[in-house]
Amino acid sequence: EDQVTQSPEALRLQEGESSSLNCSYTVSGLRGLFWYRQDPGKGPEFLFTLYSAGEEKEKERLKATLTKKESFLHITAPKPEDSATYLCAVITGANSKLTFGKGITLSVRP
Amino acid sequence: DTEVTQTPKHLVMGMTNKKSLKCEQHMGHRAMYWYKQKAKKPPELMFVYSYEKLSINESVPSRFSPECPNSSLLNLHLHALQPEDSALYLCASSQEGGDNEQYFGPGTRLTVT
Repeated sequence: EDQVTQSPEALRLQEGESSSLNCSYTVSGLRGLFWYRQDPGKGPEFLFTLYSAGEEKEKERLKATLTKKESFLHITAPKPEDSATYLCAVITGANSKLTFGKGITLSVRP
Repeated sequence: DTEVTQTPKHLVMGMTNKKSLKCEQHMGHRAMYWYKQKAKKPPELMFVYSYEKLSINESVPSRFSPECPNSSLLNLHLHALQPEDSALYLCASSQEGGDNEQYFGPGTRLTVT
């Protein structure tokens, strides 16, 4: 069974304090790994798609990387508005089913 | 434009009511999805429509009935729900399913009394 594990469960940072969020996966036949941001009471917002080991994507203060076993979401010099839950999800097999991790709740203090 | 819209934003219904949730996208996507999300949990897939045909039903109780009238619209008909069905219901769409990213709507907050 496909498994996606995110760590830590919660992360509190000071504004400007860079860090990384981890998503490790045990799947058969990864077709794509996705990062989403979700604010309370709202739908997930798409951030990145990664398809193969070694791939990297960047957007503003965020950078996502992928290896054969895990993905990292690096946050450089975070701001309070980066506070949210960050979800990692994978697609495997022939269908379109996203398997989500439990999410990492990030809090950035001013 | 990567917008998926959902109506209503909030819905309160009794266990004997019948109501519908609506979802719309104008991105030309051919796959649409319904998810259920409980507090502090990740979204759980309920249904997938591909080219307006139901392709995945994740063993969802029959009190939830999906409908895809055309390639832009997705409905979820609700009947005889239970209080434990209270949750955030999310619609998403993607290009032709597969390994394409899914874009989510803002969700409908459903409360069953």
